[in-house]
Amino acid sequence: DQQVKQNSPSLSVQEGRISILNCDYTNSMFDYFLWYKKYPAEGPTFLISISSIKDKNEDGRFTVFLNKSAKHLSLHIVPSQPGDSAVYFCAARENFGNEKLTFGTGTRLTIIP
Amino acid sequence: DTGVSQDPRHKITKRGQNVTFRCDPISEHNRLYWYRQTLGQGPEFLTYFQNEAQLEKSRLLSDRFSAERPKGSFSTLEIQRTEQGDSAMYLCASSFTGNEAFFGQGTRLTVV
Repeated sequence: DQQVKQNSPSLSVQEGRISILNCDYTNSMFDYFLWYKKYPAEGPTFLISISSIKDKNEDGRFTVFLNKSAKHLSLHIVPSQPGDSAVYFCAARENFGNEKLTFGTGTRLTIIP
Repeated sequence: DTGVSQDPRHKITKRGQNVTFRCDPISEHNRLYWYRQTLGQGPEFLTYFQNEAQLEKSRLLSDRFSAERPKGSFSTLEIQRTEQGDSAMYLCASSFTGNEAFFGQGTRLTVV
């Protein structure tokens, strides 16, 4: 049972344009969401997070949007840069105190120069 | 380097052998996690420590797996009688707030 789904295995975007990565979840108990970026042969690197009490969080070029009613979140990267090419994982956690993160299967983002 | 450190980075072992991995978390972090990642999948939760107490274990963690965190500092993950299905990347992460977890570079295990 995949509780966090990233339905696009890959995405290619022109340098300078907007990259939009999507994530859907099924568990209504999830209340905290994170995006991680992973380069080959390295561990995931934390990018940005959002609590369920918000619908948007920005950090520089990265913005995460949360639509609780649709159980959907997205990561926007503007403008996209070649160094953004990596695999992006969406992760979710239930109520505070439950420490386990549930990850999606990832989306491979390729930025085309 | 003050990040999460894992050792070894790579391990090749014969089926049936025991292996042990080590994780050194970020020094001020009291929470430590182990995850496993196989090809094409996201990381899957294995177990979690707060200080030295192991507070949660996944059903993925069979009896052949054991994790410890003596004195609430570094942690070890041991796999006994390894099987080919144990081949994966084993990731350690730590956090202070329980929110963002910071991952190490992982230990890639290959069982032949």
